[in-house]
Amino acid sequence: AQSVAQPEDQVNVAEGNPLTVKCTYSVSGNPYLFWYVQYPNRGLQFLLKYITGDNLVKGSYGFEAEFNKSQTSFHLKKPSALVSDSALYFCAVRGYTGGFKTIFGAGTRLFVKA
Amino acid sequence: EAQVTQNPRYLITVTGKKLTVTCSQNMNHEYMSWYRQDPGLGLRQIYYSMNVEVTDKGDVPEGYKVSRKEKRNFPLILESPSPNQTSLYFCASSLQGTDTQYFGPGTRLTVL
Repeated sequence: AQSVAQPEDQVNVAEGNPLTVKCTYSVSGNPYLFWYVQYPNRGLQFLLKYITGDNLVKGSYGFEAEFNKSQTSFHLKKPSALVSDSALYFCAVRGYTGGFKTIFGAGTRLFVKA
Repeated sequence: EAQVTQNPRYLITVTGKKLTVTCSQNMNHEYMSWYRQDPGLGLRQIYYSMNVEVTDKGDVPEGYKVSRKEKRNFPLILESPSPNQTSLYFCASSLQGTDTQYFGPGTRLTVL
């Protein structure tokens, strides 16, 4: 069965510092991994995805994520956090189990303090 | 403008009164899906559709129905809503099942 874990409900970081939001997954077959961000009272916006190829994926707004197959992880990173990065971040995995289901993690709220 | 639209955006109803939340996309996407978002649980997939007339259950399909008669529309039907269906609902679409999903603005449903 597919699953996604975001072990931290909340991450606090000071502006200018690097940030990491963690995600681990379980899926049979090749994983299709995604990060989305949700700002207050808004829908979800796509940040980046890993399908195949280079393990370091670069996405929108300076975010990147590293795919680690042995650790089944797909952590989201940014070298220098901005206050405007404060939002709710979701990791998601899509995999074929007779149809393409999508499993989302519970979400991690990121607070960036000025 | 490429977008996913949902209507209504807000709805308060009573237990047992049938309702439909509409979803439409203008990107000619094959894959469409419904999710509900609840605090601490993230988004959970209700139903998805790989193409016209092809639908399948997600993780939480109980109490919901869907149909996909045309490519652009994917309505969510609650035939007898109950208070535990109070939630924030999102429709999403993607070109294929492995692609990036584009989300609608959400529908906040309250069932009294």
